[in-house]
Amino acid sequence: TQLLEQSPQFLSIQEGENLTVYCNSSSVFSSLQWYRQEPGEGPVLLVTVVTGGEVKKLKRLTFQFGDARKDSSLHITAAQPGDTGLYLCAGANRRSNFGNEKLTFGTGTRLTIIP
Amino acid sequence: EAGVTQFPSHSVIEKGQTVTLRCDPISGHDNLYWYRRVMGKEIKFLLHFVKESKQDESGMPNNRFLAERTGGTYSTLKVQPAELEDSGVYFCASSQGALKYTEAFFGQGTRLTVV
Repeated sequence: TQLLEQSPQFLSIQEGENLTVYCNSSSVFSSLQWYRQEPGEGPVLLVTVVTGGEVKKLKRLTFQFGDARKDSSLHITAAQPGDTGLYLCAGANRRSNFGNEKLTFGTGTRLTIIP
Repeated sequence: EAGVTQFPSHSVIEKGQTVTLRCDPISGHDNLYWYRRVMGKEIKFLLHFVKESKQDESGMPNNRFLAERTGGTYSTLKVQPAELEDSGVYFCASSQGALKYTEAFFGQGTRLTVV
């Protein structure tokens, strides 16, 4: 069974501070995705990283995929109240050579940015 | 363009009853996935359709769960008979192709409560 551990589970920081959320596993994934979920809604994709060591930037958010494709991090610079939400990482792995990948979700990080 | 829609948004049923959840994927998306989150746990994969065929149903918990996608359009997930531990939020997602290269769009979820 593949597991993705996210840390921290909860994070509350002041507006303007920087933060990093980690997503770790002992398993290798073909790609890793980061989602954000609002209450009463489904997860919304932020980014997909595919290559080991890959770094992607989305405005103030920086995503990195570990060299071994087992872990990832999300770094937010100068956090704003609008960044508040539940952040989920999810690893994709192919069950067989004929199947599409299914997602293994992380445990989630609930982020609160205090104005 | 309409996103993934799920119906109902909430359902409260008694233990032993039957419930059917419905998912309408984005038009043209051959891949349809069911996931669920039970309280306090991470979102877990249930199964994956490619058009009307079940590609991977390794996440289905037991034979009380039956998923169908007749005609390769909308999908239903029936729970019969429902048990208390089936309570949770059931998400449906759809994608055009492999998750490495295309986005999976999630519905808002159906919150199922078995009492």
